Amino acid sequence: QSALTQPPSASGSPGQSVTISCTGTSSDVGGYNYVSWYQQHPGKAPKLVIYEVTERPSGVPDRFSGSKSGNTASLTVSGLQAEDEADYYCSSYAGSNNFVVFGGGTKLTVL
Amino acid sequence: QLQLQESGPGLVKPSETLSLTCTVSGDSINSNSYYWVWVRQPPGKGLEWIGSIYFGGSTYYNPSLKSRVTISVDTSRNQFSLKLRSVTAADTAVYYCARQSCSSTSCPFDYWGQGTLVTVSS
Repeated sequence: QSALTQPPSASGSPGQSVTISCTGTSSDVGGYNYVSWYQQHPGKAPKLVIYEVTERPSGVPDRFSGSKSGNTASLTVSGLQAEDEADYYCSSYAGSNNFVVFGGGTKLTVL
Repeated sequence: QLQLQESGPGLVKPSETLSLTCTVSGDSINSNSYYWVWVRQPPGKGLEWIGSIYFGGSTYYNPSLKSRVTISVDTSRNQFSLKLRSVTAADTAVYYCARQSCSSTSCPFDYWGQGTLVTVSS
């Protein structure tokens, strides 16, 4: 059982927006702004798409955005494209003992 | 461009020790603000953080694996390594090494190796 809770699946049609949630506790997501999101295509290594809740690394399209409210972080992908179909994982700093926790992952399907 | 490459046996027998090395190229492992990390992913399942090490030797381990894990760094070879003792079939996974780029406000995994599959089987 993962420390952070994500829906197992999400879907949307090309051009639409989809939001993926990531729920933790006040000891991780709610306690720090160290939330990151990773995109993983089949057979590939994860790729960082959002860090520090809302920041995008260089080269990541601005269609990807992040937010947080309380103990729940969210990733929104706007203007869905076929290449966005992938698994998405959230992670959070969880204090000096646990350090890093991941969500269970969400499979995003572009219909 | 920073690159990370995992290496090590792809097959380990139950009860033995899994040993992997990550070679870092394109930057010094001695750089400030970076932790060097191992993450694993069992087939068809999600990501699991194993542990992180700073070049000075400070380590942080997943509490669920802490009793079996050692992560070390060899700055002379620009490498860091993972040892996981007393493995079982549940340790079968793709093992990734990664860089964790930490500041006062964030600590994401910004570069990843391609991953290496380690199977635990007799």
